[in-house]
Amino acid sequence: DIVMTQTPLSLSVTPGQPASISCKSSQSLLHSDGKTYLYWYLQKPGQSPQLLIYEVSNRFSGVPDRFSGSGSGTDFTLKISRVEAEDVGVYYCMQSIQLPPTFGPGTKVDIK
Amino acid sequence: EVQLVESGGGLVQPGRSLRLSCAASGFTFDDYAMHWVRQAPGKGLEWVSGISWNSGSIGYADSVKGRFTISRDNAKNSLYLQMNSLRAEDTALYYCAKDRAIAAARAPPSFDYWGQGTLVTVSS
Repeated sequence: DIVMTQTPLSLSVTPGQPASISCKSSQSLLHSDGKTYLYWYLQKPGQSPQLLIYEVSNRFSGVPDRFSGSGSGTDFTLKISRVEAEDVGVYYCMQSIQLPPTFGPGTKVDIK
Repeated sequence: EVQLVESGGGLVQPGRSLRLSCAASGFTFDDYAMHWVRQAPGKGLEWVSGISWNSGSIGYADSVKGRFTISRDNAKNSLYLQMNSLRAEDTALYYCAKDRAIAAARAPPSFDYWGQGTLVTVSS
């Protein structure tokens, strides 16, 4: 299985400040179709996960533009340009280029 | 509005069986693959199983292969997970999740909408 790692595992951010989460995969996530199958999810406290970013850098419907994704191959980054109180929760990266889809361990973000 | 509502969870003894259901609405159910993803208490996310739009392609995590069976009924807009020979390590919140890509896209799996989950507790 492809192993996903995330750093940091926890992050405390002042509202209005930027935040960045790194995700690395044990194998390249670049598919022969030219797409890279890396996703970002946010699980807010007490809620189900919600899709933020698909295929590295595409914001899902309704996701604020303060969220952005970047990267290629095996190294990826989720950035929040200005953290808001509603952004608290656990962020997971996920790959699906190879079955089974696998998730990173999660990065817990809270507000200072 | 996409809605996924899971049911069927509960407390069950090791070795027994349980059947989970997921009722879907708000989208054309038979256009999309569907999945089960679980989350053990206080832990991360683990994909359990997925099924293509026409049940022609099915996959399982190694941890459940041979014990769990996924199925769907497109006429009823419903997804199921039959769980046999349950173990303590199967204790988790089980989410039903819709695949993001329409079947015709033939893309690798991903999940855009999730239900609220149904809790399965395996304990004597």
